[in-house]
Amino acid sequence: RKEVEQDPGPFNVPEGATVAFNCTYSNSASQSFFWYRQDCRKEPKLLMSVYSSGNEDGRFTAQLNRASQYISLLIRDSKLSDSATYLCVVNPPGFQKLVFGTGTRLLVSP
Amino acid sequence: ETGVTQSPTHLIKTRGQQVTLRCSSQSGHNTVSWYQQALGQGPQFIFQYYREEENGRGNFPPRFSGLQFPNYSSELNVNALELDDSALYLCASSGDRGTDTQYFGPGTRLTVL
Repeated sequence: RKEVEQDPGPFNVPEGATVAFNCTYSNSASQSFFWYRQDCRKEPKLLMSVYSSGNEDGRFTAQLNRASQYISLLIRDSKLSDSATYLCVVNPPGFQKLVFGTGTRLLVSP
Repeated sequence: ETGVTQSPTHLIKTRGQQVTLRCSSQSGHNTVSWYQQALGQGPQFIFQYYREEENGRGNFPPRFSGLQFPNYSSELNVNALELDDSALYLCASSGDRGTDTQYFGPGTRLTVL
């Protein structure tokens, strides 16, 4: 089983749509959780950290369910500029390395 | 911009050759992590350096090696290149053994022919 698994995508949505990405992780002792965004042929950039209480940043909402080892990202009112690959990232116990999912590609169309 | 720089941006090598990739960390950061990202995959952790010492390693063979310098910049060396080494190599800079957020450089795209 992969350490981090994500919806394979791609997700094709119209502008203004709401889209949700899901992710599961295998190590229940994992400590930190993130969503990174990666544009084509560019480096990953931190979108947001994910907390058990859930957190929101504008149109983006992230949720963590430790009992189910499940992480989600909700994007409301999608913009063309949201088109990118979204990477679910987990920091397992031990030293600080990041374990990435394979990413989910989002395509927002006019 | 993150302030993390990498060089070169692109590189073409042939099988069996050796390559050195470089990374300059963000000011104030003492930890550098290296990742390999193959096409269509998420980045895979190679190793991490903290204050010039290797602080952890992923599932990569010994022909992948690294260094960190007193100014916290870092090098990734790959010997005996194989075709499967073709990938985007990313370095990430952070503070305090990577407990802070990791900020990625733009990457070096390596092609092995």
